Amino acid sequence: SQKIEQNSEALNIQEGKTATLTCNYTNYSPAYLQWYRQDPGRGPVFLLLIRENEKEKRKERLKVTFDTTLKQSLFHITASQPADSATYLCALPNSGGYQKVTFGIGTKLQVIP
Amino acid sequence: DTGVSQDPRHKITKRGQNVTFRCDPISEHNRLYWYRQTLGQGPEFLTYFQNEAQLEKSRLLSDRFSAERPKGSFSTLEIQRTEQGDSAMYLCASSSTGTGETQYFGPGTRLLVL
Repeated sequence: SQKIEQNSEALNIQEGKTATLTCNYTNYSPAYLQWYRQDPGRGPVFLLLIRENEKEKRKERLKVTFDTTLKQSLFHITASQPADSATYLCALPNSGGYQKVTFGIGTKLQVIP
Repeated sequence: DTGVSQDPRHKITKRGQNVTFRCDPISEHNRLYWYRQTLGQGPEFLTYFQNEAQLEKSRLLSDRFSAERPKGSFSTLEIQRTEQGDSAMYLCASSSTGTGETQYFGPGTRLLVL
C-alpha cells in the first residue's frame, strides 16, 4: 500500500504570509491526490484534487502542485488568515481501486494574528 | 441537503460491551465508507460499500467489527466485546459517481472504552 509522509510537526506562520505544506509518497504513482482540511473534533472537509497529468491546481487562495517525479505534492495557502488554522491531510488512492484512499497523518497549521 | 450525519456523536462504554454506530450518507450517494482515526493520526480505512454490497474490508477490521448497509442507504458499524484499544473517532463518508473521488465526511462518533 501507499506510504505517505507529511510533516508531523506543527507549522506556525504569521497572518498574511503564505503557508506551504508538503506531502511525500513512496511506491507507485497515484492517479490523483487530494487535500482535506480537518478541524478539531470534526470530520475532514475536501479542498482540492489534482490528477497525475496536472502540475498545478488553484482554488481561491489555495494552490496545489503535483510532481510525480519527486513523488511530492505541495499545498499553498496565500494571504493566510487565523481562520485557516487547522490540520491539513493529504490523501491518495490505493493501487487496487480508486475508492480506497490512504490518508497522511496531517500537518497542523497555526496562523498567528 | 443535510450532509452526512452520524449517531451518536459520543459514546462511553465499558470494556466488553457491544456498541453500534449509525451513519446516514448524503441521500443520492451510493458509496459509503467507514474510517477510524486516533489522536495525531489520519483516518484509517475500515470498509467500503457500494449500494448494499460491502466491497472491501481492511485487515484492521477484526472479527469483532461488522458493518452493514442493508438497503443501500444508512449503514451501521458494530463493535462487539469492546477493548480499550477501540477508543477512537469513527468517521463515515459518502460519495457518488457524480462526485467522483471526493468523499464527504460526517462529524464522526467518538468512542471511549473504559
